[in-house]
Amino acid sequence: DTGVSQNPRHKITKRGQNVTFRCDPISEHNRLYWYRQTLGQGPEFLTYFQNEAQLEKSRLLSDRFSAERPKGSFSTLEIQRTEQGDSAMYLCASSQTTGTGVYEQYFGPGTRLTVT
Amino acid sequence: AQTVTQSQPEMSVQEAETVTLSCTYDTSESDYYLFWYKQPPSRQMILVIRQEAYKQQNATENRFSVNFQKAAKSFSLKISDSQLGDAAMYFCAYNNFGNEKLTFGTGTRLTIIP
Repeated sequence: DTGVSQNPRHKITKRGQNVTFRCDPISEHNRLYWYRQTLGQGPEFLTYFQNEAQLEKSRLLSDRFSAERPKGSFSTLEIQRTEQGDSAMYLCASSQTTGTGVYEQYFGPGTRLTVT
Repeated sequence: AQTVTQSQPEMSVQEAETVTLSCTYDTSESDYYLFWYKQPPSRQMILVIRQEAYKQQNATENRFSVNFQKAAKSFSLKISDSQLGDAAMYFCAYNNFGNEKLTFGTGTRLTIIP
């Protein structure tokens, strides 16, 4: 069990550029989540997948954001035409449904995005 | 919509002492879960303790315990015998039974004084 990994760990981009982040969940986990955390705040839910299906999207996920999880393994989060307000830590988490109704989410280290 | 409030932006405690972090939440649901997560500086978030709302008994994990008051919608975290490694941001979080997303509070930064 290598844990949830995210790449890159840091990304600096200029306003208007597109960026893509990758998340590799714990291998047997079928659920994958994306959260955004700005300075001084708690993480905010963006979207989640069960296997390859995207089951819920927050209204925070504007049209410039898209997430995919092809084949139900790793996931990518793309931000098009980045804005300075997109600067944040993007966290990925995964969990495994067990049927008990309590699904612990394991978090990755995050990707810190800075838009200049 | 559910909300989670942490009214203590910062707390400090002497090493080996006990500290309590506060959390209140608002929900109209009857089945839900509450969590405390720890986020050390520049490190990933880890689960400290969780509580199922249908359980009356307060959860305990080693030096960490909660005081869950369902009627008051209060969920505080007590850390006993504080250690230097406990220094971190602590987030209270909520999710509905059957709903996957976690709703987090704004966090409490805990400093341990040697």
